Amino acid sequence: DTEVTQTPKHLVMGMTNKKSLKCEQHMGHRAMYWYKQKAKKPPELMFVYSYEKLSINESVPSRFSPECPNSSLLNLHLHALQPEDSALYLCASSAGTGGWMSGYTFGSGTRLTVV
Amino acid sequence: AQTVTQSQPEMSVQEAETVTLSCTYDTSESDYYLFWYKQPPSRQMILVIRQEAYKQQNATENRFSVNFQKAAKSFSLKISDSQLGDAAMYFCAYNNAGNMLTFGGGTRLMVKP
Repeated sequence: DTEVTQTPKHLVMGMTNKKSLKCEQHMGHRAMYWYKQKAKKPPELMFVYSYEKLSINESVPSRFSPECPNSSLLNLHLHALQPEDSALYLCASSAGTGGWMSGYTFGSGTRLTVV
Repeated sequence: AQTVTQSQPEMSVQEAETVTLSCTYDTSESDYYLFWYKQPPSRQMILVIRQEAYKQQNATENRFSVNFQKAAKSFSLKISDSQLGDAAMYFCAYNNAGNMLTFGGGTRLMVKP
């Protein structure tokens, strides 16, 4: 299995809602990432988990809360989002050691719309 | 800090022709990797090709090849025999040990039938 699977593919939520994005990989990768991507722009790094521990938080607002329950799963919990948070949210994974050499494997993303 | 620059926001190519996408980067490191990712309308970022800085030989993957000029810090992507399915956003990216992937701004490639 060489895929990163993200669910749901599309999500529409109100500003008072609580929702979660899910990401799963079974490649044995020990680093997992959340990115936010606006239209026609490159992905922006939000969080990095390395060996199930949060290693990087790129000053993301607290209304985004990541969670890594195990080495295969990565969640992004959403609460009280703003319309400007509407974007494509991409999950990626890489080998824990040497992952910088092999590149990251990306999922297809969740298209989030905040109304 | 490393930076990656793609100077062509949009490019177009006729089907079956060849197109070259440009990328330059800035780094003080000597050991690093460079990547080209393709993002079609399906949204998934797909790794097209990668190049190790220590290798002088340019990487090739079927119709995709790179021109890696380390001294000039240039890493262009050549797509030969362009196909309609090549239409996508292309991102150049850089990575080295201890850092995260750094993306360029992207080039939108259109393929005309």
